[in-house]
Amino acid sequence: AQSVSQHNHHVILSEAASLELGCNYSYGGTVNLFWYVQYPGQHLQLLLKYFSGDPLVKGIKGFEAEFIKSKFSFNLRKPSVQWSDTAEYFCAVRDYNTDKLIFGTGTRLQVFP
Amino acid sequence: EAGVAQSPRYKIIEKRQSVAFWCNPISGHATLYWYQQILGQGPKLLIQFQNNGVVDDSQLPKDRFSAERLKGVDSTLKIQPAKLEDSAVYLCASSRTGANIYNEQFFGPGTRLTVL
Repeated sequence: AQSVSQHNHHVILSEAASLELGCNYSYGGTVNLFWYVQYPGQHLQLLLKYFSGDPLVKGIKGFEAEFIKSKFSFNLRKPSVQWSDTAEYFCAVRDYNTDKLIFGTGTRLQVFP
Repeated sequence: EAGVAQSPRYKIIEKRQSVAFWCNPISGHATLYWYQQILGQGPKLLIQFQNNGVVDDSQLPKDRFSAERLKGVDSTLKIQPAKLEDSAVYLCASSRTGANIYNEQFFGPGTRLTVL
């Protein structure tokens, strides 16, 4: 079955630092890939998604992610983080066989001013 | 557009008690999902409804969990009896339909359940 790995469980950065959060999924074929964000006290929100086409996907709030098929990866990046980016970030893949959304374990990001 | 509503937001019960959660999806969304999110893990799908029919309940512990979506709108998830390991956040999500791969799932705020 499809699975998702997020290698960074807890990341601490200062404002203006660059961010890259890793995400790998377990097997190939057609996949849809997502990054969700959960700000403190708020619900899960979609940050960006990849379905097809340009492997570099732009999302909200300056985030982007790159789909690298050969590496089964979909890493999230932001060139300069802000204190307001403090949140938990979840990578997810849509498994075409089961049509389920499979989530990673999440990465907690803390940004200090 | 109003989001997905869930209640209660928090619930504390003792083991072996029963509990129920309620979800009201976004208007017009045919597909409704219940997820369980245990601390330190990502959300895991428990059950998916398409209108008032169950599409997938393969991950639902049916000996203690049940869910229904009468009239294809609101849904309730019940646990009876609860165990300590059921402590988690229960998320409800909805989307326009599960048939179209471009449909985004919108999540509610969740219900945080603590079983003592």
